[in-house]
Amino acid sequence: DIQMTQSPSTLAASVGDRVTFTCRASQTISTWLAWYRQKPGEAPKLLIYKASSLESGVPSRFSGSGSGTEFTLTISSLQPDDFATYYCQQYSSYPITFGQGTRLEI
Amino acid sequence: QVQLAESGGGVVQPGRSRRLSCVASGFTFSTYSMHWVRQAPGKGLEWVSVISNDGTKTYYAESVKGRFTMSRDNAKDRLYLQMNSLRVEDTAIYYCARVNGNDLTAEYFHHWGQGILVTISS
Repeated sequence: DIQMTQSPSTLAASVGDRVTFTCRASQTISTWLAWYRQKPGEAPKLLIYKASSLESGVPSRFSGSGSGTEFTLTISSLQPDDFATYYCQQYSSYPITFGQGTRLEI
Repeated sequence: QVQLAESGGGVVQPGRSRRLSCVASGFTFSTYSMHWVRQAPGKGLEWVSVISNDGTKTYYAESVKGRFTMSRDNAKDRLYLQMNSLRVEDTAIYYCARVNGNDLTAEYFHHWGQGILVTISS
């Protein structure tokens, strides 16, 4: 199985800050990586797919980069709606696996 | 718009069975593969299973293989997860999720249901 490791586990930031999350895969996954945002009590919401493609309707303050085993998600200017947990997911092979999440706190 | 709504959750005793359903609307259900993903309370996301658009092919996580069976009824726009021999560690919110493909190719999840809680407890 491909292990996905996210860092940090928790990040404290303020509205307007620029933040970056990291996701590392235990083996190369090319660019078969997605990012999701999950607010408490809600289902995950797709933000980024194929490592850097912005999902339709997702604000342009979100961007993704990386390939192979190391990936990043950047939020250029935090909005109140962004304080949530973020997950990466590899879809290079089965079983599909997720990172353990990064919780973004105020 | 795409909507997915799970049902069938609740409290189940260890060793017993439960069937979850997911009703789809806003798209041609028979076109797309579907998945189940679960999330234990306060924990991360775990992929569970996938079914092809025509229901002929399925694939499961090792943690549920042999105990869970995924199926679909395209005439009713419904997805199912039959869960047998349930364990305490199966306690989770179960989400049905849609991808953009129609086969078992691993993909990202474009649309999610709101989730349904299954609690395994005596």
